[in-house]
Amino acid sequence: GAGVSQSPSNKVTEKGKDVELRCDPISGHTALYWYRQSLGQGLEFLIYFQGNSAPDKSGLPSDRFSAERTGGSVSTLTIQRTQQEDSAVYLCASSLGVLASDTQYFGPGTRLTVL
Amino acid sequence: GQSLEQPSEVTAVEGAIVQINCTYQTSGFYGLSWYQQHDGGAPTFLSYNALDGLEETGRFSSFLSRSDSYGYLLLQELQMKDSASYFCAVRDSGYALNFGKGTSLLVTP
Repeated sequence: GAGVSQSPSNKVTEKGKDVELRCDPISGHTALYWYRQSLGQGLEFLIYFQGNSAPDKSGLPSDRFSAERTGGSVSTLTIQRTQQEDSAVYLCASSLGVLASDTQYFGPGTRLTVL
Repeated sequence: GQSLEQPSEVTAVEGAIVQINCTYQTSGFYGLSWYQQHDGGAPTFLSYNALDGLEETGRFSSFLSRSDSYGYLLLQELQMKDSASYFCAVRDSGYALNFGKGTSLLVTP
């Protein structure tokens, strides 16, 4: 595809349920990032993938959050036992490489609402 | 700790010039980026500065002073479509970007 895609675009779930968010990066991009954006706030880093491995998981807020990437492409962010404070827009980005000059291209995000 | 400071809101008139400042305090510095985000949209890359000085891309310019831990985004010939949030972001010693909280720019007729 031409850009980063994410699905679903919107997800409403009940507190305590598990959710899976999907990211399809730009073809050929080796680096993939997940960020979270709360209303009116900046982007908060969650996790970074280089290929299928995640060298930096330091931003994951709790052990309820996990992510994987398969085939060096698609990534899934899973939130278990969702809480109301998990409500936010989850953004995925990819870049060609990991140089600081490699632009991160963002997808449109998944808006998660936990009732 | 890491911190990036930018004004929360700026208002300017169509056709005018506006400057959005960003000061940062991070562990390590490998460049300052600027992103634009319209309501409900994806952040879109605008510019990247790794070295001191001014980078110009069309109506947008970005400046960096590493000694002052300071940068700014300059938008010229403002158009209504420039109304959006603008984020500065620093690449520090890690691989992710550290973002400021964003500046909401409102362009009025």
